[in-house]
Amino acid sequence: GQSLEQPSEVTAVEGAIVQINCTYQTSGFYGLSWYQQHDGGAPTFLSYNALDGLEETGRFSSFLSRSDSYGYLLLQELQMKDSASYFCALTGTASKLTFGTGTRLQVTL
Amino acid sequence: KAGVTQTPRYLIKTRGQQVTLSCSPISGHRSVSWYQQTPGQGLQFLFEYFSETQRNKGNFPGRFSGRQFSNSRSEMNVSTLELGDSALYLCASSLDRRGNSPLHFGNGTRLTVT
Repeated sequence: GQSLEQPSEVTAVEGAIVQINCTYQTSGFYGLSWYQQHDGGAPTFLSYNALDGLEETGRFSSFLSRSDSYGYLLLQELQMKDSASYFCALTGTASKLTFGTGTRLQVTL
Repeated sequence: KAGVTQTPRYLIKTRGQQVTLSCSPISGHRSVSWYQQTPGQGLQFLFEYFSETQRNKGNFPGRFSGRQFSNSRSEMNVSTLELGDSALYLCASSLDRRGNSPLHFGNGTRLTVT
């Protein structure tokens, strides 16, 4: 099977940079995705890494290293609205995602 | 373009009853998948439909079933409800089945079983 681990909580100051790590165990996968979910809301797609390396989308960047079974989401210039839960997810067979345990990010003043 | 619509938003049922949840995907999206979200187990894959056929199924008992209609709308059904079925049920649609097609989630149906 597949399993992904993330830190349960991360706290950072507004304007700072924060990195949310994701380690995984799997026999094979197509890529690693990241989703954001605000309390009471739906998960929303942030980024997808099919290949090793860094993908940048505005203030958000995501990194994947298949050899290390590791990925991370980097959030820059943190804003209060970034307070949410963040999930990494392995894409196995298309449209079937295995989600990580989720990281609750708290941005403070 | 309208997002993924799930109905109802909230549902309270009694143990032993059955329930049907509905999902309308984004127009043009052909793949619909369902996830269960609970505080203890997180987000877990239930099943995926594409072209009215179930393509993938997660590790859930047979009490959980679903279907997809020709217009891509989907329903999921849970029979003989148990207390442990209380959860947020999320529907997601994607344009196709490629790995890099992002999932677009609805706001979910919160099911409470008493």
